[in-house]
Amino acid sequence: QVQLQESGPGLVKPSQTLSLTCTVSGGSISSGGYYWSWIRQHPGKGLEWIGYIYYSGSTYYNPSLKSRVTISVDTSKNQFSLKLSSVTAADTAVYYCARRARGGGSYYEDYWGQGTLVTVSS
Amino acid sequence: SYELTQPPSVSVSPGQTARITCSGDALPKKYAYWYQQKSGQAPVLVIYEDSKRPSGIPERFSGSSSGTMATLTISGAQVEDEADYYCYSTDSSGNHRGVFGTGTKVTVL
Repeated sequence: QVQLQESGPGLVKPSQTLSLTCTVSGGSISSGGYYWSWIRQHPGKGLEWIGYIYYSGSTYYNPSLKSRVTISVDTSKNQFSLKLSSVTAADTAVYYCARRARGGGSYYEDYWGQGTLVTVSS
Repeated sequence: SYELTQPPSVSVSPGQTARITCSGDALPKKYAYWYQQKSGQAPVLVIYEDSKRPSGIPERFSGSSSGTMATLTISGAQVEDEADYYCYSTDSSGNHRGVFGTGTKVTVL
């Protein structure tokens, strides 16, 4: 069974870049068939979909965050990463990585990491 | 931008049936998915492709979709079903942007 684990700094200063990595085990990112997503959840709030990447490097980002988001993949390490630039306190959230599966012409996140809290504060 | 709307809260007595609705303009063309999120935990998929149940999810969870509304039903709700529930779908663009519903807090008491 696939497992995902987020890692990265829990505290980031305003205006800096948030960087997180998701390590995938129990399956190979480069085998294809799945996309790999990032989702976040502000404290006490709902879920916000950030974007995804395919093993080939193709990406798609939520238009609301597109100007600040970069998702990349390292197939040699079976990892994918999230960078969010110019962060403010509004980017304080729990960040989840997830596997994105396809079914019946739709896509959905089926396996999730446990999430990691990132706080933006000086 | 595309939105999925849910009621903020639903209350149900143990053993009774809880129904959570999700409204979205693209639902006639796109599948709905449902996630359960217990306090402090990551979301867990409980329904996919409108009405299918992943392995390990109790049979009391069921889903349906008609027109612009999808529904998650918990038949015979248990105390352990108390959680936040989010519907999810993708928009009609070719990029399949993910969209989460506004979330529903289900209280079982």
